[in-house]
Amino acid sequence: QVQLVQSGTEVKKPGASVRVSCKASGYTFTSYAMHWVRQAPGQRLEWMGWINTGNGNTKYSQKFQGRVAITRDTSASTAYMELSSLRSEDTAVYYCAREGNVVLAPRAFDVWGQGTMVTVSS
Amino acid sequence: QSALTQPASVSGSPGQSITISCTGTSSDVGSYNLVSWYQQHPGKAPKLMIYEVSKRPSGASNRFSGSKSGKTASLTISGLQAEDEADYYCCSYAPGSTLVFGGGTKLTVL
Repeated sequence: QVQLVQSGTEVKKPGASVRVSCKASGYTFTSYAMHWVRQAPGQRLEWMGWINTGNGNTKYSQKFQGRVAITRDTSASTAYMELSSLRSEDTAVYYCAREGNVVLAPRAFDVWGQGTMVTVSS
Repeated sequence: QSALTQPASVSGSPGQSITISCTGTSSDVGSYNLVSWYQQHPGKAPKLMIYEVSKRPSGASNRFSGSKSGKTASLTISGLQAEDEADYYCCSYAPGSTLVFGGGTKLTVL
């Protein structure tokens, strides 16, 4: 079945970087874009950026521009999100989410990972 | 890109219908028929309920429907059930191949 499995909980100090992975299975990885969305405790969903898994092109939210990097390893069907210069406000659950294709659910997130909790604390 | 505007909370009794609004701008909701809606239960990942304003993916109940007028999209849930109690988020495509979420709405089934 189609699923996205993310890496485990992270605890980081302010100023550090974190990399979260998202392994896809059950479909052709390079046929669907991958997005990253985060949710601080008790807060709304926040879109961070996405990667064209076929050619590696990326687009980021202006809020995270310069601090976030989304990459992929097609041989491992895995996408990565790295966030640098962490601060306490980055404490959140980070989700990867597959974008549907042009036929079904374009510009919508039809499959989600289970989420990865990242805590930033000194 | 500012968040889309949703009511913080709505409520309804079992069997009733409720509607959640999602207001954007002429640059996002008003320009594209690419609004989606997500249901999120506590501690769980979001689930796609509506895409392209009014289309329902397989697995989403037909009690959920979507519409749009101008810069405002809406999600209607008919025949409310206890299991519908959750947070709901709208999301719109926006200029520059970006996306933006709403602030979220907490639905309480009385």
